[in-house]
Amino acid sequence: NAGVTQTPKFRILKIGQSMTLQCTQDMNHNYMYWYRQDPGMGLKLIYYSVGAGITDKGEVPNGYNVSRSTTEDFPLRLELAAPSQTSVYFCASSYDREGTGELFFGEGSRLTVL
Amino acid sequence: GIQVEQSPPDLILQEGANSTLRCNFSDSVNNLQWFHQNPWGQLINLFYIPSGTKQNGRLSATTVATERYSLLYISSSQTTDSGVYFCAAQRWEYGNKLVFGAGTILRVKS
Repeated sequence: NAGVTQTPKFRILKIGQSMTLQCTQDMNHNYMYWYRQDPGMGLKLIYYSVGAGITDKGEVPNGYNVSRSTTEDFPLRLELAAPSQTSVYFCASSYDREGTGELFFGEGSRLTVL
Repeated sequence: GIQVEQSPPDLILQEGANSTLRCNFSDSVNNLQWFHQNPWGQLINLFYIPSGTKQNGRLSATTVATERYSLLYISSSQTTDSGVYFCAAQRWEYGNKLVFGAGTILRVKS
C-alpha cells in the first residue's frame, strides 16, 4: 500500500491564481480530511469527507473547495490564491463509521503564494 | 467544540533522559491520538488511545478519560525523537473531526 499520496509536494502561486492539490489513498478509508499547518502552529481542519459524495466544512474553509467523487480521491481546490493561504497542506484518511479510526497523513504539500 | 491544550510547549532533553508530555481536553472524548512530526515535516501516528495505556518500544501513552487528560512518555530519549508531538481529540457531538493541540516541541541533544 502506498497509503496517502499528495501532489504536488511544492508549488509557488501568484496572487489570484487557482490550483488543485491532489490527494489519493489506497486503504479503502471512508473518511478523508484536509488540514493546513502554518509555520510553528498546529493543524487546522479545512474540509473533511465521510464518504463519496459527502463533504463538510472544518474550522477554516474560506477560499477552498473540495469534492469527493470516489472513495480514493479528495482534491482540494484553491480559488483566487491569497498570501494568507501560504502554508503546508496535509491530506489524511481514516477508517471507521464514526470517524474515530487511526488517522494516516500524506507527506504534505508546501504552497507559497506571492 | 472541544479544546485541546498541550504542555510543555517546549522541551530540551539530553540524550538518554526520560520525559512526559501532557494533553488536556475540555470534554469527554471518543477519540484521542498522539502524533509525531519529524524535522522533515512528516506526521506519524504514534498512538490511538481514547482510554487506557499502550506501549510501543520506548514510547507509551496513558489516557485517563474521566479526568480528561492523556500523557505521552518517552524513555531513554534519542536524537531521532526530536520534532513536534501533537495530540488530537474528537467528541462525536461536535462532529466527525479531530481537533489538534498546539504541540510540544522536543529537542534531544547528543
